[in-house]
Amino acid sequence: GAGVSQTPSNKVTEKGKYVELRCDPISGHTALYWYRQSLGQGPEFLIYFQGTGAADDSGLPNDRFFAVRPEGSVSTLKIQRTERGDSAVYLCASSMGNGPDTQYFGPGTRLTVL
Amino acid sequence: AQSVTQPDIHITVSEGASLELRCNYSYGATPYLFWYVQSPGQGLQLLLKYFSGDTLVQGIKGFEAEFKRSQSSFNLRKPSVHWSDAAEYFCAVGRNRDDKIIFGKGTRLHILP
Repeated sequence: GAGVSQTPSNKVTEKGKYVELRCDPISGHTALYWYRQSLGQGPEFLIYFQGTGAADDSGLPNDRFFAVRPEGSVSTLKIQRTERGDSAVYLCASSMGNGPDTQYFGPGTRLTVL
Repeated sequence: AQSVTQPDIHITVSEGASLELRCNYSYGATPYLFWYVQSPGQGLQLLLKYFSGDTLVQGIKGFEAEFKRSQSSFNLRKPSVHWSDAAEYFCAVGRNRDDKIIFGKGTRLHILP
């Protein structure tokens, strides 16, 4: 079946603009995760959804970052007033969410803030 | 708090040689441990995972890893590497079955022909 998909694959924006990054998880997966990967680093946890609710948002760096998953499937990561330091690859992952399980990662969205 | 240390940023081995990538974790209870591989332009792919049971786990592509609680380690091994194994390898630890994963900074593997 289809894997995790993310759109757009690349996003270039100007400092101060608003961006939305979309994640479409594997069908039937109830758990969804957002990570951020900066150059030369491992992925860094941002937020985790179980169904529609954010179970853990402790990784969001500040209040400019927000994520939603209104119907328990597709999720959108929203970044307001983007800064150059927000430039990174944003990764989404999903899992079955009902026991020890693997997180399946999407290809990521590369965000560049000029 | 959980943390993962991958002490080697880069490792170079000759094709056909054996490989061991080191990983140490910090976590008070029994962790959930993972190794992921990331090839250029590719997403993260799970190589193997340890949740409980046999401490030697087999993964895809001929990789294996051994959980050693006394050393807080989960080193990745392969008896004979192929040129296609050149990639970045990430060790990761989780607290609970559906929890966030904490990744190490990765080890980039280079293969000499």
